Amino acid sequence: DTEVTQTPKHLVMGMTNKKSLKCEQHMGHRAMYWYKQKAKKPPELMFVYSYEKLSINESVPSRFSPECPNSSLLNLHLHALQPEDSALYLCASSQGPGRGNQPQHFGDGTRLSIL
Amino acid sequence: DAKTTQPTSMDCAEGRAANLPCNHSTISGNEYVYWYRQIHSQGPQYIIHGLKNNETNEMASLIITEDRKSSTLILPHATLRDTAVYYCIVSAGDNQGGKLIFGQGTELSVKP
Repeated sequence: DTEVTQTPKHLVMGMTNKKSLKCEQHMGHRAMYWYKQKAKKPPELMFVYSYEKLSINESVPSRFSPECPNSSLLNLHLHALQPEDSALYLCASSQGPGRGNQPQHFGDGTRLSIL
Repeated sequence: DAKTTQPTSMDCAEGRAANLPCNHSTISGNEYVYWYRQIHSQGPQYIIHGLKNNETNEMASLIITEDRKSSTLILPHATLRDTAVYYCIVSAGDNQGGKLIFGQGTELSVKP
């Protein structure tokens, strides 16, 4: 069982819809991440939050909007997505800066399909 | 771009040791070697990481060459449940904002 919980597990949405992906961890981690994984490809980093502040945006289109309301929660707001945005969206967390290069822990992802 | 090179695929007989190689010839002095695996339909799972010394935990052993240009992940007694894609990643961890750049990985098939 993963300690990083992602909801929903599956999401189908139209190109004009607005939806949100949710990620939650209760390990006291202070860094949280969003990754995108296309079929048969490795995960690609999208965003990094460190102590609830956005620290890395890997040039992700503005139709993806991350939010970190508190240290345990990470959201990814979706609007006007394209069919090529269909993918597995993975959330991860880690101890964060200054706490010893500890590994990231991943959730099992949200599988997103854009119609 | 990923800074590691791994074989695309490998087979291993159940109960035998699985030795997965990784080349990282351009690794920097402050970069760690991390290993993750991804079983179908699941998120990546952390296995082990190291800087210079060999490391062992309940899942695997990590052997890093003295020049740090390559490493080997060893699963001592592979089972069918170890069938997965294994990713070797070099990262400075917190010193680069926690970024992990995944390469293509090695698809390990454990066969009965």
